[in-house]
Amino acid sequence: KAGVTQTPRYLIKTRGQQVTLSCSPISGHRSVSWYQQTPGQGLQFLFEYFSETQRNKGNFPGRFSGRQFSNSRSEMNVSTLELGDSALYLCASSLVGGYESGELFFGEGSRLTVL
Amino acid sequence: AQKVTQAQTEISVVEKEDVTLDCVYETRDTTYYLFWYKQPPSGELVFLIRRNSFDEQNEISGRYSWNFQKSTSSFNFTITASQVVDSAVYFCALSEAENAGNMLTFGGGTRLMVKP
Repeated sequence: KAGVTQTPRYLIKTRGQQVTLSCSPISGHRSVSWYQQTPGQGLQFLFEYFSETQRNKGNFPGRFSGRQFSNSRSEMNVSTLELGDSALYLCASSLVGGYESGELFFGEGSRLTVL
Repeated sequence: AQKVTQAQTEISVVEKEDVTLDCVYETRDTTYYLFWYKQPPSGELVFLIRRNSFDEQNEISGRYSWNFQKSTSSFNFTITASQVVDSAVYFCALSEAENAGNMLTFGGGTRLMVKP
């Protein structure tokens, strides 16, 4: 079956712009989580959506937001981009989530560069 | 707050050597999950194992084995007879099961280089 698909794979933005990243989970998976990966901070949890509800949120400013649609696809948005937002953004889907912790299936990520 | 420490940032071995990747965690919860993920150069993290805090049995899967010791808060990963294809960054992660869902805290990762 198809894996987790993230689009776009690469993008370049300038400071102050906003960006929207998309994630299509594995069919049947209702949980979608987002992680940010940078050389300095490593892998950090952004948020998790389960059945269209945000279940958990990491320690990121309000410029980072997300949503999940009824078909479980998810988007995350970063507004007023800063240089420090340059990172690999990874999406992961899971059969279980919300109050349970399951095996995460990751996409290949969207690499964002902010100039 | 939870924390995961992978003290080894980089390990280099020659093919067929055994190698152990260390993972030490901190949590106040009695119920939690521990994970190992592999990240090859393509960037996609690949799930290797999930272990809950009540199951201290060691696990073996082919050339991979895991040693979970609650007494030392460690969850170490051993690759036996390493191969070049094992070269990747390996991450240990922790999820505090109480309402944490899939909010994982990752260690800094260990880059493993296996030379032919």
